[in-house]
Amino acid sequence: EVQLLESGGGLVQPGGSLRLSCAASGFTFSNFAMNWIRQAPGKGLDWVSGLSSSGATTYYADSAKGRFTISRDNSKNTVYLQMNSLRAEDTALYYCVRDRLMVRPGTFDIWGQGTMVTVSS
Amino acid sequence: EIVLTQSPGTLSLSPGERATLSCRASQSVGSNYLAWYQQKPGQAPRLLIYGASSRATGSPDRFSGSGSGTDFTLTISRLEPEDFVVYYCQQCGGSLPCSFGQGTKLEVK
Repeated sequence: EVQLLESGGGLVQPGGSLRLSCAASGFTFSNFAMNWIRQAPGKGLDWVSGLSSSGATTYYADSAKGRFTISRDNSKNTVYLQMNSLRAEDTALYYCVRDRLMVRPGTFDIWGQGTMVTVSS
Repeated sequence: EIVLTQSPGTLSLSPGERATLSCRASQSVGSNYLAWYQQKPGQAPRLLIYGASSRATGSPDRFSGSGSGTDFTLTISRLEPEDFVVYYCQQCGGSLPCSFGQGTKLEVK
């Protein structure tokens, strides 16, 4: 079964850091680009970041540039999102999402169940 | 950044009826990169349509997509009770970043 399992969410103070992880199983992880997409409570979907299958190329939303870093370890079938300088507006459910493409974000075909990040003092 | 505007915000219909959901882009989107998602309460979104008109694996054939350039449509030919949820369009065209529409809520009339 194709599966994505996120972890690492939690409560953090403004200005703090968190590292999200996403463990993939059931498919050849190194053949797919991966993404992080978030959803604030009661709101719509917001693409945060993506990276190519090799991890060589990364892409960010303007809101994430300079604060978030996406990476992957294909030997561990895991993708990460390092989030620094967190703000209240980063509060959301963060989904790990597989892409149909290999080299860049395109279409999101497999979604995890998400990990909640709450930024509050 | 390409802005996607979905209309209507809420669509009230009855089971068995046909639903037409619209997604308009602020600039032309490559058809290969236009997709539609369905989100049920408490669940992650699910891919329905990709490449503007191709059904994803497991997507019922009552769902169809069309359009090109800046205007795209998701059609549900005959509404089932489980279809009354929220739908999002999305693009990751040549000009990243990717973006989503604000969503259309389909409710029972």
